[in-house]
Amino acid sequence: KQEVTQIPAALSVPEGENLVLNCSFTDSAIYNLQWFRQDPGKGLTSLLLIQSSQREQTSGRLNASLDKSSGRSTLYIAASQPGDSATYLCAVRGTSGSRLTFGEGTQLTVNP
Amino acid sequence: GAVVSQHPSWVICKSGTSVKIECRSLDFQATTMFWYRQFPKQSLMLMATSNEGSKATYEQGVEKDKFLINHASLTLSTLTVTSAHPEDSSFYICSARDPVPGLANTQYFGPGTRLTVL
Repeated sequence: KQEVTQIPAALSVPEGENLVLNCSFTDSAIYNLQWFRQDPGKGLTSLLLIQSSQREQTSGRLNASLDKSSGRSTLYIAASQPGDSATYLCAVRGTSGSRLTFGEGTQLTVNP
Repeated sequence: GAVVSQHPSWVICKSGTSVKIECRSLDFQATTMFWYRQFPKQSLMLMATSNEGSKATYEQGVEKDKFLINHASLTLSTLTVTSAHPEDSSFYICSARDPVPGLANTQYFGPGTRLTVL
């Protein structure tokens, strides 16, 4: 059974700092991995999706990497802003068409 | 990107009543929709997978007679919480899978419905 772990559970940083969020998964046989953002009381917004054959994906200030063999992914946020404050969730899909397994998220607070 | 809506965004009901939550894919046809629940400060737990025109597949531990799912069209799935109790209070989120080739594993999430059972 796939298990997804995110570290740290919470993170507070000053504005402008670069930061890294970590995600690990127990079964390396994944189809893809996705990072989401969730604002309080809201649904999920997809940030980046990395296919199993890819090493990284970039979107603006966000960069996600994937090391499938070691069961790890990182989400790098450059020059953090208060508007980046949210919970970031990592999710993996085992095979094409199978369910997403979510981590418990990292709650990020960027202080002005 | 594709948009998924949910209605209502929040609902408060008395214990013992039933509540229906709608999930719609607004600009694409979704053959598969998913229902999740999320407790405070916890992650999303998949409740069931709903395929248009067929019975939903429920995850282990989810009572299918309590959480009725109907996916009668390619743009609408409903979740009915029957005889709701306070322990059913949670944040319910639906998701729809985009069937377009190349995007077949992209899931779009609705904004969620906050259910409070008194």
